[in-house]
Amino acid sequence: EIVLTQSPVTLSLSPGERATLSCRASQSVSSFLAWYQQKPGQAPRLLIYDASKRATGIPARFSGSGSGTDFTLTISSLETEDFAVYYCQQRGAWLTFGGGTKVEIK
Amino acid sequence: QVHLQESGPGLVKPSETLSLTCTVSGGSISSSDYYWAWIRQPPGKGLEWIGTIFYSGSTYYMPSLMSRVTISVDTSKNQFSLKLTSMTAADTAMYYCARQSNGWFDSWGQGTLVTVSS
Repeated sequence: EIVLTQSPVTLSLSPGERATLSCRASQSVSSFLAWYQQKPGQAPRLLIYDASKRATGIPARFSGSGSGTDFTLTISSLETEDFAVYYCQQRGAWLTFGGGTKVEIK
Repeated sequence: QVHLQESGPGLVKPSETLSLTCTVSGGSISSSDYYWAWIRQPPGKGLEWIGTIFYSGSTYYMPSLMSRVTISVDTSKNQFSLKLTSMTAADTAMYYCARQSNGWFDSWGQGTLVTVSS
């Protein structure tokens, strides 16, 4: 099983700031990584797939990068609605999720 | 736009079997472009993939749950279902059904909370 480790666990930022979230895989997943956003009481929403491709309707302020074992989700300028929990997921071997990063208002 | 809706009991007794159904609308479950999945999330915790089915009936299960899980599909009703046996408190979670495209979950149901308690 491929383990995904997300850091930091919590990120405290202000609206307008840049957010940088990390996801590290226990072994290479090539570019087979996605990012999801989950708000309280809601189902997750797909943001990024294949490491860097934005899903339909996702704003350009969300971007993904990385390959192999190290991946990054960047939110260029935080909007109020972006404060949420973010999960990474790999499909390199079976399907597993990271533990999540909570982006909270500072 | 596809819509997924979970249904089933919110309370299950320990050792019993959980049965949930996901009804798909706005799209055909028989599309060769998609798979259909179950994912769960214990309260306050992260996401865990349970398993996936193709309209043909091919299934893929999380290895640690494989002995307890069965996922089936009913194309005539545009539904797919989850059965999880020998439920314990550790299985208490929000259960989501989702559409899976190339390994990514691009549409989700709203989720249904299942509590295991006597």
